[in-house]
Amino acid sequence: AQRVTQPEKLLSVFKGAPVELKCNYSYSGSPELFWYVQYSRQRLQLLLRHISRESIKGFTADLNKGETSFHLKKPFAQEEDSAMYYCASTPSGAQKLVFGQGTRLTINP
Amino acid sequence: EAGVAQSPRYKIIEKRQSVAFWCNPISGHATLYWYQQILGQGPKLLIQFQNNGVVDDSQLPKDRFSAERLKGVDSTLKIQPAKLEDSAVYLCASSWTIGEQFFGPGTRLTVL
Repeated sequence: AQRVTQPEKLLSVFKGAPVELKCNYSYSGSPELFWYVQYSRQRLQLLLRHISRESIKGFTADLNKGETSFHLKKPFAQEEDSAMYYCASTPSGAQKLVFGQGTRLTINP
Repeated sequence: EAGVAQSPRYKIIEKRQSVAFWCNPISGHATLYWYQQILGQGPKLLIQFQNNGVVDDSQLPKDRFSAERLKGVDSTLKIQPAKLEDSAVYLCASSWTIGEQFFGPGTRLTVL
């Protein structure tokens, strides 16, 4: 079955520390990978997608096909990064998103 | 541009009752999605429309859930009759391109 796994439900780091949110996927073919974020009292929104290879709000994510991973990283965490983060994938040839269970990131001052 | 609109924002019903949710997508977005998000889990796709046709409803419990998108714009999702396990946030999203989905604020359903 097509699956996206985020092994950490909760992640807490101090402000200024590096942060890495893990995501693994199990697909064949060439899926498209995304990170969505939900800040407190806001709607779910796209943070970044692997095909754009952008850095958004200091976050980057590299697709590692060998390890089937798409980890989200930021070198220096900020308090405003506290949010719920979801890794998602669009299976090859499909439009729907398959989401992981999410990781709640808390940045401590 | 205006975002995806959903109503109501909250709904409390008793089991076996019926409920309906409404979604208005971003103007011009051909694809509309309904997701169910149970507490502690990621969103799960229930149904996907392309204009007013169904693309994927493989995870929609068709014995109690139904959805329509008349005229390829607004959409309604109905549950009849509701069960306790239907308590969740129901998210509507729309997109123009693959993967660029824009989400509404969601409807939080509580079934007592």
